Amino acid sequence: QSVLTQPPSVSAAPGQKVTISCSGSSSNIGNNYVSWYHHLPGTAPTLLIYDSNRRPSGIPDRFSGSKSGTSATLGITGLQSGDEANYYCGTWDNSLNVWVFGGGTKLTVL
Amino acid sequence: EVRLVESGGGLVQPGGSLSLACAASGFTFSGYVMTWVRQAPGKGLEWVSGISGSGSFTYYVDYVKGRFTISRDNSKNTLYLQMKSLRAEDTALYYCAKDKFFGSGSPDGFDVWGQGTMVTVSS
Repeated sequence: QSVLTQPPSVSAAPGQKVTISCSGSSSNIGNNYVSWYHHLPGTAPTLLIYDSNRRPSGIPDRFSGSKSGTSATLGITGLQSGDEANYYCGTWDNSLNVWVFGGGTKLTVL
Repeated sequence: EVRLVESGGGLVQPGGSLSLACAASGFTFSGYVMTWVRQAPGKGLEWVSGISGSGSFTYYVDYVKGRFTISRDNSKNTLYLQMKSLRAEDTALYYCAKDKFFGSGSPDGFDVWGQGTMVTVSS
């Protein structure tokens, strides 16, 4: 059981928008920044969002992040087949004194 | 170019030991928290351990405490993970990752990742 809860899967058609939620608690999301990662198994993960809503250079503005209370959301607009991957949220947990990832969400572009 | 290259993975029997290394280049290694993250077959990403830039502070997930030791040699720009008393459930692809922010004391998010090194624990 992950400390951060994500839906196991989401799907949408090419060109559409999708959101992926990440639910936590006051010991993690509620008091820390959230980052989001794109990952294809067996390859190096990619940082998509840091500080809850900032994009590293090179990440297109189709990707956005937001945080409210103890939940965070990743948004992806203009879906492309190449966006199919697993997406993970992550943050520091002040009670456990460890970094925690969500369980991951598999995005399917229909 | 900022780069991380892991090495040291392999097949080990349950109860055995293994040491992983992560060679870093292209950035001021001593200024960044470094982290090990693993992915077991068919599972999600799992943070394992982190270490501050100076090496003074270390962090571990509960189920590796006492079995895994993270360390770093800033003169060699290398991160290490010594693993002992290995279990089948430690079988995973192990990634090292660099923290996003210079000078942070604990993990803040990871902007550079290696390609991983596979650890298989099996008899």
